[in-house]
Amino acid sequence: GDSVTQMEGPVTLSEEAFLTINCTYTATGYPSLFWYVQYPGEGLQLLLKATKADDKGSNKGFEATYRKETTSFHLEKGSVQVSDSAVYFCALTPGGVNNNDMRFGAGTRLTVKP
Amino acid sequence: GAVVSQHPSRVICKSGTSVKIECRSLDFQATTMFWYRQFPKKSLMLMATSNEGSKATYEQGVEKDKFLINHASLTLSTLTVTSAHPEDSSFYICSARGGGLSTEAFFGQGTRLTVV
Repeated sequence: GDSVTQMEGPVTLSEEAFLTINCTYTATGYPSLFWYVQYPGEGLQLLLKATKADDKGSNKGFEATYRKETTSFHLEKGSVQVSDSAVYFCALTPGGVNNNDMRFGAGTRLTVKP
Repeated sequence: GAVVSQHPSRVICKSGTSVKIECRSLDFQATTMFWYRQFPKKSLMLMATSNEGSKATYEQGVEKDKFLINHASLTLSTLTVTSAHPEDSSFYICSARGGGLSTEAFFGQGTRLTVV
C-alpha cells in the first residue's frame, strides 16, 4: 500500500544551520503530500503541503517540493532557530476521490542548539 | 485553518475503569474522523476511521470492543477506552476531514492517557 519513508533522527543542529529532512513515498496513484510538526506535549500542526507534482509547499521558512520523478518530498530550511526544535512528520493521503486515511512516516526529532 | 478541539488533554485513570475522549470540529463539518495512537518516540498508528452516522472501521489488530468509537454528529466523535489497563497508556490524537475532495486533515491537540 501507499507509504512514506522518512529519514531517521534524531537530528541535532546549531542555530542558523541548514536543515534537510528526507522523505520518500510509495504510491500507486497521485497522493497529496504533507509535512506536520509536533512541538513537545502538543498535537500535530500542518506545516506545509503539496497536492501535485512540482508543487512547492512553504511556510515559516520551511520548503518542500513534490518530486514525482524521485518520489520525494524533502523538507528544507535555510537557517534553523531554537524554536524549530520539534518532531517533524512526513505524510501522504492517497490520491483520488475516495480519500483514505493519512499515512505517516516515523517522524524525525530535530533539536536546535543555541 | 480549521480548528479541531480534543478533550481532555490529560487524564489519569485507575486500571479497570473507562475513559472517554472527545474530538470536536469547531468551525467545519467533519464527515470523517480518524483516531491515532502514538507510542513514545514513535509515529502515529491509525486505530480507526469513522464516518458520521456509521460504524467505525478499525485497523487490523485494534480491538473494537476495547476502543469504542462513536461519530454521532458532523462535529463530534468520541473514543472510549474501556476497562483500561496500564498498557493502554499512550498519547491519543484525533483528526478530522471535511467532505468532498478535501485532502487536508486537521488534528486535535492530543490526549495523554495514563492508566495506573
